[in-house]
Amino acid sequence: GAVVSQHPSWVICKSGTSVKIECRSLDFQATTMFWYRQFPKQSLMLMATSNEGSKATYEQGVEKDKFLINHASLTLSTLTVTSAHPEDSSFYICSAAGEATYNSPLHFGNGTRLTVT
Amino acid sequence: SQKIEQNSEALNIQEGKTATLTCNYTNYSPAYLQWYRQDPGRGPVFLLLIRENEKEKRKERLKVTFDTTLKQSLFHITASQPADSATYLCALDSAGGGNKLTFGTGTQLKVEL
Repeated sequence: GAVVSQHPSWVICKSGTSVKIECRSLDFQATTMFWYRQFPKQSLMLMATSNEGSKATYEQGVEKDKFLINHASLTLSTLTVTSAHPEDSSFYICSAAGEATYNSPLHFGNGTRLTVT
Repeated sequence: SQKIEQNSEALNIQEGKTATLTCNYTNYSPAYLQWYRQDPGRGPVFLLLIRENEKEKRKERLKVTFDTTLKQSLFHITASQPADSATYLCALDSAGGGNKLTFGTGTQLKVEL
C-alpha cells in the first residue's frame, strides 16, 4: 500500500530557530501533499496544500512566510517552521493522496512532534 | 463554513459489543465522507469512504452509513476488540474540491475486556 514517511518524528528546538520537516511518498508519486497541524485533543487543521512544481496554497490564517513549504519533486515536500516560538509547538502531519483522482483516501505520515523551548 | 461534530466524550464499551460512533455536519453537502483511525502520537489511517449516493458501506467488522437528509454518518465496529481502541475521525471533502479534507475532532473509543 501507499506509504508516507515523515521525518523527524520529534524535534526540540530553541525559540527563534528554524526547523525543517520532510514528507516523502515512498512507493507512489504525489503531485499534491497536505500539511496539517494538530493540538492535543483537537482535530487536524489543514495548514496548506503543497503542489509539486508550484507555490503552496495556504489556508486562511496561516502565515506563509512563517511556514515555508517546498515541493521540489513528486515524492518530497518539506515544511520549514521559521523563527519558531513556543506557540508553534504542536503535532505536524503530512499526507498525500495515493491517486490523483478526486476523493482518493489520504495516506498520512506518522507526524512530527515539535517542541519549542 | 463547514462544521463537523463528533462526540468529544470517550466511548467505553465491553469487548464483543458493537461500537457506534456518530458524525454530524452542517453548512455543507459533501460528495463523500471518510473515516480514519488515529492512535496516540501517530498519523491517521484510512478506513472507509462512502459517497453521497451510497447508504451503507462495509469492510470486515466495519460498517458506515451516510444519511444526507439528516447530515449524519454512523460508524459501527461489530464484535469489538481491545485492539480497536483508538480515536476515530470522520472527514468530509472540502468545498475547495480536490482531495482536501476537513476533519472532525474525533471520538476516542475504549474497548474493555
